[in-house]
Amino acid sequence: GAGVSQSPSNKVTEKGKDVELRCDPISGHTALYWYRQSLGQGLEFLIYFQGNSAPDKSGLPSDRFSAERTGGSVSTLTIQRTQQEDSAVYLCASSFGSQETQYFGPGTRLLVL
Amino acid sequence: GEDVEQSLFLSVREGDSSVINCTYTDSSSTYLYWYKQEPGAGLQLLTYIFSNMDMKQDQRLTVLLNKKDKHLSLRIADTQTGDSAIYFCAESPPYNQGGKLIFGQGTELSVKP
Repeated sequence: GAGVSQSPSNKVTEKGKDVELRCDPISGHTALYWYRQSLGQGLEFLIYFQGNSAPDKSGLPSDRFSAERTGGSVSTLTIQRTQQEDSAVYLCASSFGSQETQYFGPGTRLLVL
Repeated sequence: GEDVEQSLFLSVREGDSSVINCTYTDSSSTYLYWYKQEPGAGLQLLTYIFSNMDMKQDQRLTVLLNKKDKHLSLRIADTQTGDSAIYFCAESPPYNQGGKLIFGQGTELSVKP
């Protein structure tokens, strides 16, 4: 595809359930980022992947959050035992490399009841 | 510390110019970005400026950078109702290996006919 795609576009879940969010980066982009956008915190960095290097997980808010990137392309962000404060828009971005311009997907809107 | 500041709201009349301001903290940031977010959508890259430039013009958009004061502005000429959105400035500090973006809170631009 031409841009970054994310699925699902919306997700409603019950507190305590696990969720998986998917990101397909732009073809050829080696860097992939996850951000979270919430009312109280604005836009926050979560995790970053660059090629085969170890990911930068410094932005993950708790050990309930994890992410992987298979084959250097698609990434999945997993939130275990969801809490109401996890409700937010989760945005994925990709770039040709680190320090290059980042292009964002449309986001996944997560609501935890 | 890392902190990017923007005013939260701006209201203009259609046809007027809009100026959205941003201050950042890391004087060694290599790139500074402006993104636009329409309701329910992801972030759309509008423009960016390299830190060794003081001005960049792209059609109706003009970016001014004052490195001494760490001040960035985005001017939209002949503002249209379709420009109504939230505008985010972001910096990419060079010390940060991953190139994660540090975002401001966003400025909500309202364009009145």
